[in-house]
Amino acid sequence: EIVMTQSPATLSVSPGERATLSCRASQSVSSNLAWYQQKPGQAPRLLIYGASTRATGIPARFSGSGSGTEFTLTIISLQSEDFAVYYCQQYNNWPPYTFGQGTKLEIK
Amino acid sequence: EVQLVESGGGLVQPGGSLRLSCAASGFTLSSYEMNWVRQAPGKGLEWLSYMDSGGGPIYYADSVKGRFTISRDNAKNSLYLQMNSLRAEDTAVYYCASEAPISGSGWFDPWGQGTLVTVSS
Repeated sequence: EIVMTQSPATLSVSPGERATLSCRASQSVSSNLAWYQQKPGQAPRLLIYGASTRATGIPARFSGSGSGTEFTLTIISLQSEDFAVYYCQQYNNWPPYTFGQGTKLEIK
Repeated sequence: EVQLVESGGGLVQPGGSLRLSCAASGFTLSSYEMNWVRQAPGKGLEWLSYMDSGGGPIYYADSVKGRFTISRDNAKNSLYLQMNSLRAEDTAVYYCASEAPISGSGWFDPWGQGTLVTVSS
């Protein structure tokens, strides 16, 4: 089973600033990585798939990068609605599909 | 609008059973690879089960293998999760999620709103 590790667990950033979230896989997942955003009481929402392709309707301030074992989600010009929990998920070696433990992006 | 709506959650005693439903609208569920994912209170996401679109492979996480069964009713455009021998650690919000209409895509979109299952005496 591939273990996904996200860092940091909590990230405090001011509105308008840039946030950089990391996700590391225990072995290569190529570019088969997705990012999700989850707000309290809501279901996760797909942001990025294929490590760097934005899902339909996702603003351009969200970008994903990386391949192999190291991935990054970058959010520039943080808006109030961006403060949430973010999860990465690998779909290269499955079953099982595996998720990271999440990074909480909070307002500084 | 493409939408998934779960139902069937509730309070159940340890050792009990529950069947969750996931009704699809705006798309034909049988044409998509479908999954169940859960989230324990205050915790992260855990993938549970996968069903192929063409009646092919079905997979389960080790944590639920032998206790949970995924199934689909094409006439009702619905996905199900039969949960038996429930334990306290099965307490979670359960989501159904579709994979993209690309064979072997692996990412989940859309998700249902979730249904809460509480296992307690």
